[in-house]
Amino acid sequence: ETGVTQSPTHLIKTRGQQVTLRCSSQSGHNTVSWYQQALGQGPQFIFQYYREEENGRGNFPPRFSGLQFPNYSSELNVNALELDDSALYLCASTLGMSGANVLTFGAGSRLTVL
Amino acid sequence: AQTVTQSQPEMSVQEAETVTLSCTYDTSESDYYLFWYKQPPSRQMILVIRQEAYKQQNATENRFSVNFQKAAKSFSLKISDSQLGDAAMYFCAYRPSNTGNQFYFGTGTSLTVIP
Repeated sequence: ETGVTQSPTHLIKTRGQQVTLRCSSQSGHNTVSWYQQALGQGPQFIFQYYREEENGRGNFPPRFSGLQFPNYSSELNVNALELDDSALYLCASTLGMSGANVLTFGAGSRLTVL
Repeated sequence: AQTVTQSQPEMSVQEAETVTLSCTYDTSESDYYLFWYKQPPSRQMILVIRQEAYKQQNATENRFSVNFQKAAKSFSLKISDSQLGDAAMYFCAYRPSNTGNQFYFGTGTSLTVIP
């Protein structure tokens, strides 16, 4: 089975620009979560998608938005980039919404905002 | 508010020795799950071990075991017979049973294994 894949692996943007990050979930997984990991910090929950709808959101402003597609892949969009948005963005997938589920993570997309 | 605290930013251990990483958490929930994830330089978070709060027995996975003290809200990770490949950042994570896939992570402990 294929794991979680994310693209791009690295990218550089300037303040005010917009960025789209992509994630392909592990085969058989229908739920995708996105996390932001700032340098030296633990990952922070942005939101999750289940059956193509946002289902749970962390403390992030509306300029962080997402999509989930019928094949369960997902996108994270960030508008009006700020310097503090520089971070590693991790995508994780799982099957369903059970609390017992284990998340499978991708290797992340490293975003640098100049 | 749910918070996870890892008070050891860095730890080191001699190869083949044992090391314990500490984690405490704060919650008012009674039903939840606790996890330890490993993040090597490749950046991909890898599950090390999982503990269900309703289980009194401590989880064990080969060389990895936990000491779960529910009343003290403590969840430490013990790595026995440490290997060079264990060197990584270790994150403790808490997940309430009713919030889907929202995990709360600590700030991590960087583990160095000395040959």
